[in-house]
Amino acid sequence: AQSVTQLGSHVSVSEGALVLLRCNYSSSVPPYLFWYVQYPNQGLQLLLKYTSAATLVKGINGFEAEFKKSETSFHLTKPSAHMSDAAEYFCAVSVRNTPLVFGKGTRLSVIA
Amino acid sequence: GAGVSQSPRYKVAKRGQDVALRCDPISGHVSLFWYQQALGQGPEFLTYFQNEAQLDKSGLPSDRFFAERPEGSVSTLKIQRTQQEDSAVYLCASSPGTSGKEEQFFGPGTRLTVL
Repeated sequence: AQSVTQLGSHVSVSEGALVLLRCNYSSSVPPYLFWYVQYPNQGLQLLLKYTSAATLVKGINGFEAEFKKSETSFHLTKPSAHMSDAAEYFCAVSVRNTPLVFGKGTRLSVIA
Repeated sequence: GAGVSQSPRYKVAKRGQDVALRCDPISGHVSLFWYQQALGQGPEFLTYFQNEAQLDKSGLPSDRFFAERPEGSVSTLKIQRTQQEDSAVYLCASSPGTSGKEEQFFGPGTRLTVL
């Protein structure tokens, strides 16, 4: 069965600094990988996804992620953090037609 | 167009009561998912519908949990004889396809508190 590990339950960055949220996956077959963001009292919103096309995926709000098969990683980055980026971020994996499996999430704080 | 809506947004139940949580997916979306999100955790899969057919219910934690989608649109998650460990946010998501590659569109969730 597939799984996801998000390193760091809480990440704090200064406004304007690089954002790096780590995600490692486990899957015996080629996976589909997703990053979702959740703002307080709201549902999850898709940031970006990897579905076996280009390994560098660009998403909304300036986020991007790179699929690295050799490292089984799909880390999320943004060059310059904005106050509005403060939220909970979830990495998720699925294979073929199986349900999404989510990581435990990383809470991003942005300091002015 | 409207997104996924869920009702009620908040539900408080006494232990032992039955509850019903409603999900209105995006019109025309074939796939519908229910997830349970405990405090400080990621969502965990409960069950999946393709149109009216419940194709996967492997995530339902006990036989007290039951879901249906009788006409392939609105879905209801029912929890019988609620227990304190059922307290969580219940998220519904829908997607237009069935391949697993598509984006899932999430509702705002129903926060269930069992006293």
